[in-house]
Amino acid sequence: KQEVTQIPAALSVPEGENLVLNCSFTDSAIYNLQWFRQDPGKGLTSLLLIQSSQREQTSGRLNASLDKSSGRSTLYIAASQPGDSATYLCAVLRVNQGGKLIFGQGTELSVKP
Amino acid sequence: GAGVSQSPSNKVTEKGKDVELRCDPISGHTALYWYRQSLGQGLEFLIYFQGNSAPDKSGLPSDRFSAERTGGSVSTLTIQRTQQEDSAVYLCASSPRLETQYFGPGTRLLVL
Repeated sequence: KQEVTQIPAALSVPEGENLVLNCSFTDSAIYNLQWFRQDPGKGLTSLLLIQSSQREQTSGRLNASLDKSSGRSTLYIAASQPGDSATYLCAVLRVNQGGKLIFGQGTELSVKP
Repeated sequence: GAGVSQSPSNKVTEKGKDVELRCDPISGHTALYWYRQSLGQGLEFLIYFQGNSAPDKSGLPSDRFSAERTGGSVSTLTIQRTQQEDSAVYLCASSPRLETQYFGPGTRLLVL
């Protein structure tokens, strides 16, 4: 059974700091891994998708890495801003499991001005 | 273009009543998913439609839950005889097959 764990559960940092969010998964037979952002009372916004054959993806101040063999992914946020405050979720799409994503519990990020 | 839309945005119902939740996916997306997000449980998969294939219903928690997708587009999730533990945010997503899933804003269901 695939399990996805995110550490830390919550993180508070001052504006301008670089930070790393961690995601681990137990079954390395994945098709891809996605990072999402969720603002309070809102749906999910896709940030980055990494295919199983890729090592990393970058979008602006965000960089996501994937080490499939060790079952780990990190989301790096550079020069954090108060507008980055949200819950960040990682999710894996398993091979031969159709389209269902398995989500972690999320990391609640607060960036203080 | 338009994103995934869901209706209603909020629903309050009494225990034992039936509810219907609607999802309008992004035009052209062949895959449609339903997830549930509840306190303490995180986000869990419910059901997945891909084109004309039989849906993957493996995540539905009980036979009170059902979903259909008409004409390969709009989907309705029905919960019969609602229970208090059904209270959650129900999220719909669509994608062009096994690619990035685009989520709607969700329907917040409260069963009293």
